[in-house]
Amino acid sequence: QSALTQPASVSGSPGQSITISCTGTSSDVGSYNLVSWYQQHPGKAPKLMIYEVSKRPSGVSNRFSGSKSGNTASLTISGLQAEDEADYYCCSYAGSSTMLVFGGGTKLTVL
Amino acid sequence: QVQLQESGPGLVKPSQTLSLTCTVSGGSISSGGYYWSWIRQHPGKGLEWIGYIYYSGSTYYNPSLKSRVTISVDTSKNQFSLKLSSVTAADTAVYYCARVFGDGRYFDYWGQGTLVTVSS
Repeated sequence: QSALTQPASVSGSPGQSITISCTGTSSDVGSYNLVSWYQQHPGKAPKLMIYEVSKRPSGVSNRFSGSKSGNTASLTISGLQAEDEADYYCCSYAGSSTMLVFGGGTKLTVL
Repeated sequence: QVQLQESGPGLVKPSQTLSLTCTVSGGSISSGGYYWSWIRQHPGKGLEWIGYIYYSGSTYYNPSLKSRVTISVDTSKNQFSLKLSSVTAADTAVYYCARVFGDGRYFDYWGQGTLVTVSS
């Protein structure tokens, strides 16, 4: 069982917006602004999409945005495109004893 | 551009030790500010953080794997390595190495991953 909880799947039509949640506890997501999000296409390595809750690396589309409220972080993708279809994982720092924890992943389907 | 490349046996027998090496190019492991990490992904499943190491040799492990994991670094070769002892079929996975930005604790560069199968 993963430490962070994500929905198994979400879907949306091209042009729409979707949000993926990532629920942790007061020991991880709730305590640190160190949540990151990764996109993984089949057979490929994960790619960093969001770091430190809401920051975008250079080269990542501004259609991707992140936020956090309490123990839940969220990834929003606006203007869905076919190429966004992938698995998405959240990750949070969880303190010096547990260090880093991932969510179970969410499969995004673009209808 | 930093690049990471995993190498090692793709098949390991049960009860033996899994050994992988990650070679870093385009940047120095000794430059500081980053941790060097291993992550695995069981077939069809999610990501699991195994641990990471700083260039000084300080290590940090996932508590669930800590008793079987050793991560080491060779700054002269710009490599870091993973050893996982007493493996079982449950350790069959794609193993990734990655760079972790220290302050932000996020994985900014990843290797392509290597599948390790545990089977007799």
